Amino acid sequence: DQQVKQNSPSLSVQEGRISILNCDYTNSMFDYFLWYKKYPAEGPTFLISISSIKDKNEDGRFTVFLNKSAKHLSLHIVPSQPGDSAVYFCAATTFSWGKLQFGAGTQVVVTP
Amino acid sequence: DTGVSQDPRHKITKRGQNVTFRCDPISEHNRLYWYRQTLGQGPEFLTYFQNEAQLEKSRLLSDRFSAERPKGSFSTLEIQRTEQGDSAMYLCASTSERGGTDTQYFGPGTRLTVL
Repeated sequence: DQQVKQNSPSLSVQEGRISILNCDYTNSMFDYFLWYKKYPAEGPTFLISISSIKDKNEDGRFTVFLNKSAKHLSLHIVPSQPGDSAVYFCAATTFSWGKLQFGAGTQVVVTP
Repeated sequence: DTGVSQDPRHKITKRGQNVTFRCDPISEHNRLYWYRQTLGQGPEFLTYFQNEAQLEKSRLLSDRFSAERPKGSFSTLEIQRTEQGDSAMYLCASTSERGGTDTQYFGPGTRLTVL
């Protein structure tokens, strides 16, 4: 069963604008969430994470928001740059698990 | 380069052959994970090690798959009697042993094509 869902397979955004990527989860046991970025023929690269005790975490141009009641998180990229064009994966886990459950990914294309 | 490395990067084999992949984790990391990614999907957990102990195996890991981490450093993933459905990207990740909150760092992956 798919416990982590990214319902938008693709997103196109203009350079300099905001990219908003969404992720929903079904397992209420999840208490740690991560976003990874993946270029073709490379492994996923860690971007940013958030613990369930927080509702927001920022790192430079990247901000992750967590809404536990809605079981929803989002990644904001501001401003978007051409190098941000990649597939973005949302992942979730529990403090005792370790293994990550991934969504199917969102392909982001940043246009000039 | 102190990141996670995987070898080979690409492997093409014929159905029925055996293949083995290697992963070298970040040196101070005790935990090592294997994932499989197919086209259009996110990575799926296969198995993980803490030091040399294999602590969990996914139901995706059929009896044709075996993984080892003999000295708690590098790991190997072997697939026996490969099938076309085994074609995928096999990813390795490592982290420290403090638990699920630690970020997993991924290697570049091994792309397997079974003809």
